[in-house]
Amino acid sequence: DTAVSQTPKYLVTQMGNDKSIKCEQNLGHDTMYWYKQDSKKFLKIMFSYNNKELIINETVPNRFSPKSPDKAHLNLHINSLELGDSAVYFCASSQGALQPQHFGDGTRLSIL
Amino acid sequence: GESVGLHLPTLSVQEGDNSIINCAYSNSASDYFIWYKQESGKGPQFIIDIRSNMDKRQGQRVTVLLNKTVKHLSLQIAATQPGDSAVYFCASNAGNMLTFGGGTRLMVKP
Repeated sequence: DTAVSQTPKYLVTQMGNDKSIKCEQNLGHDTMYWYKQDSKKFLKIMFSYNNKELIINETVPNRFSPKSPDKAHLNLHINSLELGDSAVYFCASSQGALQPQHFGDGTRLSIL
Repeated sequence: GESVGLHLPTLSVQEGDNSIINCAYSNSASDYFIWYKQESGKGPQFIIDIRSNMDKRQGQRVTVLLNKTVKHLSLQIAATQPGDSAVYFCASNAGNMLTFGGGTRLMVKP
């Protein structure tokens, strides 16, 4: 009965590869997010979707492409992975823009 | 408190004492503020939020204080327990987007 679940939990891959992270929420929320947390624990928003539509794109390289097949899912596809992409990526959801966001447990991406 | 420095500020408290974690925000137009707790290997977990029409809000063992004049937010944890050990983040809104502070690590000594 996990509220926000993301897979995989760990992702180790080589530079230049393409990978995807999946996120699903069962809270019935309209808004979903992707955040990146660096090694210093700094948490920065990447994207926000409301009802499958992109509403926030925070100067993220276009190698990152979010896809929302329905309002319960927001997947993140990353092309041509670079060393600097190594981080923990969190998916979150909320009922609305200024409502508490519920986070998944993160995907730790390590680029070799 | 909020930090964009190279390391996490750390607050070390004795079990049973009260903890106060501080946060400064910069956007005077912010009207929504929220505190999160992040344990190792987990995602941030919602603790409490407050809107700008209030200056204090209480939850179970936690109180958030908002001082809009000096753009300061604090989280008070009463009777701190070992399970409270975590990194705590404040966040404030810029329009419809949340901006997170740099986090404070709370360590509880038994």
